[in-house]
Amino acid sequence: SQELEQSPQSLIVQEGKNLTINCTSSKTLYGLYWYKQKYGEGLIFLMMLQKGGEEKSHEKITAKLDEKKQQSSLHITASQPSHAGIYLCGADYGGSNYKLTFGKGTLLTVNP
Amino acid sequence: DVKVTQSSRYLVKRTGEKVFLECVQDMDHENMFWYRQDPGLGLRLIYFSYDVKMKEKGDIPEGYSVSREKKERFSLILESASTNQTSMYLCASSLLAGADTQYFGPGTRLTVL
Repeated sequence: SQELEQSPQSLIVQEGKNLTINCTSSKTLYGLYWYKQKYGEGLIFLMMLQKGGEEKSHEKITAKLDEKKQQSSLHITASQPSHAGIYLCGADYGGSNYKLTFGKGTLLTVNP
Repeated sequence: DVKVTQSSRYLVKRTGEKVFLECVQDMDHENMFWYRQDPGLGLRLIYFSYDVKMKEKGDIPEGYSVSREKKERFSLILESASTNQTSMYLCASSLLAGADTQYFGPGTRLTVL
């Protein structure tokens, strides 16, 4: 099974609704990165979480890392069509490794 | 702002051709990465480089090579392109040693016929 699982795989919401995307790791995270990708384009960095229980917000997007550092959630409040895209989480498992392990992404559609 | 640029947004090549994908970053970052992204498989690391002339294999290096002669430039080379290398290729860079925030380029969609 995958080290890093995202759920749901896809999500369709009405504009103005709140939504949550989850990222679950089979191992303890050293750090967790959230990115957004417009279809056919590169990834845009949103936020990075490192401490258990940490929460960060940017505009209407809030990301949290649980105390055990194995799960993160991304919450969007009052969604807008501009929030549509693919959201990916990337895991840092620590050590001297330069790698980030990415989830497969969540495709978000926001209907006006 | 960090800027990572890739030489082409779209590229069409024939089987057996040698293909060069170029990536340039303007923020003096130490580390650079090449990924490919495929539906259902997500983002997979091909190669990365943590210094000039230094390179490390990622998860799927077969069929690819890389070159980093200058700090700001990282090239991905397909020695003999094959149809199974049709994919979206993404370059990224990061500042610090070890895992750090990676900043991505816009991607190159390569089609091998």
